[in-house]
Amino acid sequence: DAKTTQPNSMESNEEEPVHLPCNHSTISGTDYIHWYRQLPSQGPEYVIHGLTSNVNNRMASLAIAEDRKSSTLILHRATLRDAAVYYCILIRGSQGNLIFGKGTKLSVKP
Amino acid sequence: EAQVTQNPRYLITVTGKKLTVTCSQNMNHEYMSWYRQDPGLGLRQIYYSMNVEVTDKGDVPEGYKVSRKEKRNFPLILESPSPNQTSLYFCASSLYFPGLGGNQPQHFGDGTRLSIL
Repeated sequence: DAKTTQPNSMESNEEEPVHLPCNHSTISGTDYIHWYRQLPSQGPEYVIHGLTSNVNNRMASLAIAEDRKSSTLILHRATLRDAAVYYCILIRGSQGNLIFGKGTKLSVKP
Repeated sequence: EAQVTQNPRYLITVTGKKLTVTCSQNMNHEYMSWYRQDPGLGLRQIYYSMNVEVTDKGDVPEGYKVSRKEKRNFPLILESPSPNQTSLYFCASSLYFPGLGGNQPQHFGDGTRLSIL
């Protein structure tokens, strides 16, 4: 299974944009990039996913490097409620299992 | 409301006393899975099920059993719990297995905190 690397923690100020990086240098052509987040005392929740093109939804944007070896989750205006652990994971075509890793703990300061 | 329901939410028990954590989803999902979450180790998958009567091991299956006799339920069984199974457990489901089209968001339950003394 392809591996992802994320910083252990990041800090942001409220109402400022946040760019959460993820390195996946061993990604293969059919691997999808998924992001989840886990708010304190809750189960993880799906945020966004993509394959090659940048993606936007109501929660965030996903920017994927042209060589697909890295991606960035963008929160356009961080709120206190966005403080969570963010997980970047890769999912392969035939894959049944999921490997989450340790994620990035995002702190948001008022 | 679409949801994944785990029971119990909290349980304190003793070594060796068999226990079952139930997981039920009301979304007609084919794929279900169990994770445990420990400080410093993140989320690790225990078992998953692609469909009824189809189960497979995740990264940390030792000491656990599962069954998938019907689509909506996926219980996690600890036949002889030990203290190293003290953890926070999550059940999740998706319409199909994660790799199908790469666009299967996982829906997670609220977690079950198990303490085994």
